[in-house]
Amino acid sequence: DQQVKQNSPSLSVQEGRISILNCDYTNSMFDYFLWYKKYPAEGPTFLISISSIKDKNEDGRFTVFLNKSAKHLSLHIVPSQPGDSAVYFCAASGSYGGATNKLIFGTGTLLAVQP
Amino acid sequence: GAGVSQSPRYKVAKRGQDVALRCDPISGHVSLFWYQQALGQGPEFLTYFQNEAQLDKSGLPSDRFFAERPEGSVSTLKIQRTQQEDSAVYLCASSVSGTGWYEQYFGPGTRLTVT
Repeated sequence: DQQVKQNSPSLSVQEGRISILNCDYTNSMFDYFLWYKKYPAEGPTFLISISSIKDKNEDGRFTVFLNKSAKHLSLHIVPSQPGDSAVYFCAASGSYGGATNKLIFGTGTLLAVQP
Repeated sequence: GAGVSQSPRYKVAKRGQDVALRCDPISGHVSLFWYQQALGQGPEFLTYFQNEAQLDKSGLPSDRFFAERPEGSVSTLKIQRTQQEDSAVYLCASSVSGTGWYEQYFGPGTRLTVT
């Protein structure tokens, strides 16, 4: 049972335009959400996070939106740059017993930014 | 400063062999996680250490998988009698604290191929 879902395996956008990556989750006990970026042959790199008590968090070109009622979050990248081309993973965490802070990942979305 | 390092970066094992994968977390980090990433999937949680204590091993897929962190720093993930389904990238992550939310820093991973 996939608790964190990224339904778009890939996305292609033009340089300078907005990239919107989407993520849905099913577990209402998640209280922290993150986006990681991954280049080939490297480990995931933390990008931005949001607590469940907020609905928006912004860091430079990156903004994450959280809609708790819809159990949906999205990552906006504006403007998109060729160096943003990578796989983006949505992840969630919560204090649901056992190890707190273990991450539950989606399957990733491959973003290609065309020059 | 040094990030999380893992060795070896690549490992080829014949079915039935035992393997040991090493993780050097960021110095002083309390929490250490192991994840398994199959091809085309997101990372999946295996086990969690807080200092030398293994607090959660709910993600280990079988009793062939064993992890330790005897002195609260370096960790080793051991897989006995490897099977083809064990082929994956094994990722290690560390974070500064064991309570509350702190960013997890990932290593580059060890790609294990079982032939």
